[in-house]
Amino acid sequence: QVQLQESGPGLVKPSETLSLTCTVSGGSVSSGNYYWSWIRQPPGKGLEWIAFMHYSGSTNYNPSLKSRVTISVDTSKNQFSLKLSSVTAADTAVYYCARAAYSQSYFDYWGQGTLVTVSS
Amino acid sequence: DIQMTQSPSTLSASVGDRVTITCRASQTISSWLAWYQQKPGKAPKLLIYKASSLESGVPARFSGSGSGTEFTLTISSLQPDDFATYYCQQYNSYSLTFGPGTKVDIK
Repeated sequence: QVQLQESGPGLVKPSETLSLTCTVSGGSVSSGNYYWSWIRQPPGKGLEWIAFMHYSGSTNYNPSLKSRVTISVDTSKNQFSLKLSSVTAADTAVYYCARAAYSQSYFDYWGQGTLVTVSS
Repeated sequence: DIQMTQSPSTLSASVGDRVTITCRASQTISSWLAWYQQKPGKAPKLLIYKASSLESGVPARFSGSGSGTEFTLTISSLQPDDFATYYCQQYNSYSLTFGPGTKVDIK
């Protein structure tokens, strides 16, 4: 059973960079055709896909966030990461990591989510 | 981006009711649609993919239908565990988008 767990600071100051890591267990980030993804949900609102990445390096980003997002995979640690730069209060959200069954896909496994608040 | 809409935004129902939620896409997405269930404080859970394929382990009272731009999620007999918010998601384009959600609450 694949499990995903997000980690990172729960509070980030405006204009700084939000950094989160997702640790995968019960499976390998470098196996199969899976794409490793980040999705967020502002408090009381809906879901917004941020980006996904294949361990080979193939990536895809939400056009509305692309200029501020970097996603990477560390196969040696079986982790993948998100960096979101120049954050504002609008970036306050629960951030989920998830596995996509393939490129341009639905999400079959999700982490529990981590709340990141942007505030000074 | 492909825009997704859902109706209704909130639905009040009783245990045993048949419940139908509609999801519409701003352009055709073939059958590239998934449905998720989310409970407060929890991650979304995949219910249906490719419009009508039931994810392993999901009860058979959940079903999906539709293609093109209009899709439905049906719960044949609502159970106490089903009170939650339901989201659709299109994956026809590389820019993945979700619907705004439908909250199913107790009547």
